[in-house]
Amino acid sequence: DAGITQSPRHKVTETGTPVTLRCHQTENHRYMYWYRQDPGHGLRLIHYSYGVKDTDKGEVSDGYSVSRSKTEDFLLTLESATSSQTSVYFCAISESRTGQGDTQYFGPGTRLTVL
Amino acid sequence: QKEVEQDPGPLSVPEGAIVSLNCTYSNSAFQYFMWYRQYSRKGPELLMYTYSSGNKEDGRFTAQVDKSSKYISLFIRDSQPSDSATYLCAMSVYGNNRLAFGKGNQVVVIP
Repeated sequence: DAGITQSPRHKVTETGTPVTLRCHQTENHRYMYWYRQDPGHGLRLIHYSYGVKDTDKGEVSDGYSVSRSKTEDFLLTLESATSSQTSVYFCAISESRTGQGDTQYFGPGTRLTVL
Repeated sequence: QKEVEQDPGPLSVPEGAIVSLNCTYSNSAFQYFMWYRQYSRKGPELLMYTYSSGNKEDGRFTAQVDKSSKYISLFIRDSQPSDSATYLCAMSVYGNNRLAFGKGNQVVVIP
């Protein structure tokens, strides 16, 4: 295992409520990513971080925000959850050393259902 | 056109058969190519990693990259029921920390 945990692993919430998902790593890797995975769409990048307090948007960032106050933790927040955000969310980490490809290692996922 | 195209399958094969999976891509700048395996209700796990063109072998798994054709392949020899999973291809450009993924190809190995 790549030393990545996600919490909670399962969550059911109602439309309009805020939700925060947590990703925790023990590898001290610089890069962290949040993806969502949906049938027919595959993995889609939501946001990523390249250091403490350094984040950037991915391809499906609308409705999501992130924060990284410590190297080991990357939080994903749905400010006001909608049914379209029902999905499986994966966190990934990468060391991304210069000269090497961006090999990413994934966490176990969080299943989120928005009713 | 998506950057990475992968036939979602599903692909069913008898145990012991060779499984052949492939992805095509449009960005000629891709240099790093990966295959991930994802079991049901689990996170993707890195299976193979290849830089530039050529072949790489690891046990029953062989990854091939043909940059001239913008085509990558994964072969699984002597397939086992435990190989039943979804296989995702992924690739990246040197110096870019984002991966482009295929949608995944579901493989079922029938005992």
